[in-house]
Amino acid sequence: GENVGLHLPTLSVQEGDNSIINCAYSNSASDYFIWYKQESGKGPQFIIDIRSNMDKRQGQRVTVLLNKTVKHLSLQIAATQPGDSAVYFCAENTGFQKLVFGTGTRLLVSP
Amino acid sequence: SAVISQKPSRDICQRGTSLTIQCQVDSQVTMMFWYRQQPGQSLTLIATANQGSEATYESGFVIDKFPISRPNLTFSTLTVSNMSPEDSSIYLCSVEDLAGPGEKLFFGSGTQLSVL
Repeated sequence: GENVGLHLPTLSVQEGDNSIINCAYSNSASDYFIWYKQESGKGPQFIIDIRSNMDKRQGQRVTVLLNKTVKHLSLQIAATQPGDSAVYFCAENTGFQKLVFGTGTRLLVSP
Repeated sequence: SAVISQKPSRDICQRGTSLTIQCQVDSQVTMMFWYRQQPGQSLTLIATANQGSEATYESGFVIDKFPISRPNLTFSTLTVSNMSPEDSSIYLCSVEDLAGPGEKLFFGSGTQLSVL
């Protein structure tokens, strides 16, 4: 909705740049991680996921990196487009079918 | 992925009243989840709703405040009772991925609730 992203950290990039959004997760036992994109007025949309037995996974224009040593997750978006402007959340599966969401980052892409 | 429809998409309510939010899924799913997203915040799980049993609530959420129904495998409701301005949030219904239950979730478009 309109209130999403009001108080979230913001990353501003130019169209065509690569974007890197970072996330620190909390539970060292988490074995599955997801990135979601949330546009204004919409629910979170699945982008890409990664299991803990991997450290990198690539999708279309997106790459997720996982560093279990420091409990860090990042989402890289190549050739960022204005349509990529949204709030991005990481989420970790802490077990028992529960997802815990990170605080979110607002991505602003200028043409 | 499942198609999730939520109603209403937004509402403005008076303090002390209750609002029931409906979530309809186009496929049968075992588990449905209700999340709250307060203004400028991330998503917090309210409860997990299984058909045929009482919902399981997370710490900080109680059934009297957020009663949930799950009458069948494609439908659930969340009621926000005795509302106060602090309940102003986006409420989101989500379901498990049918291809890999228990992992990624798909979300409805949410209900934006404002309490005056």
